[in-house]
Amino acid sequence: QVQLVESGGGVVQPGRSLRLSCAASGFTFSIYGMHWVRQAPGKGLEWVALIWSDGSNKYYVDSVKGRFTVSRDNSKNTLYLQMNSLRAEDAAVYYCARDLSVVVGLTEGFDYWGQGTLVTVSS
Amino acid sequence: QSVLTQPPTASGTPGQRVSISCSGSSSNIGRNYVYWYQQFPGTAPKLLIYRNNQRPSGVPDRFSGSKSGTSASLAISGLRSEDEADYYCSSWDDSLSGWVFGGGTKLTVL
Repeated sequence: QVQLVESGGGVVQPGRSLRLSCAASGFTFSIYGMHWVRQAPGKGLEWVALIWSDGSNKYYVDSVKGRFTVSRDNSKNTLYLQMNSLRAEDAAVYYCARDLSVVVGLTEGFDYWGQGTLVTVSS
Repeated sequence: QSVLTQPPTASGTPGQRVSISCSGSSSNIGRNYVYWYQQFPGTAPKLLIYRNNQRPSGVPDRFSGSKSGTSASLAISGLRSEDEADYYCSSWDDSLSGWVFGGGTKLTVL
């Protein structure tokens, strides 16, 4: 069965960096686009980043552009989110999610989600 | 302020039919599919409706989606206590080149 397991969350000071990982199993990771979606405590969902199946294209929400980098290692079935210059407003549960589409260049929402990893930004 | 607009709350009694609206613009709902997610407290969201009105396998046919112009709605018929959850709409936004969500609707079953 499809499994997505995030890790790497924790408490970090403002301005510091953190790298999240998402280990995928139960499906052919290399043919799916992947996303990061976050949810601040008590708030709604916010899409963060998308990376195509082959890693050739990446998209970000404006608030993280230039600070966050999404990447993937298809040989390890793992998705990453490098978060630099963290701010208080980046504090959230970060979910990785699989895209519905297997067509490169087409994104169709999120059909499977991990359980999330909590990032706390505090001095 | 979310790009897609949903009512913050909705409610109904068991057996009733409730509808949750989602309003967007020509750059998102007007041109692209709408997706709906269900989330229970402390758990990850779950895909409920894709491509405006399609249900993934395992989702009861009590849940249905529709879209017209720049708005969409999720309808739940035969409301059950276990439907009490948060519901989010989402769509790709061509102007932002990214996915956008509604602020979420908390459904209470009275």
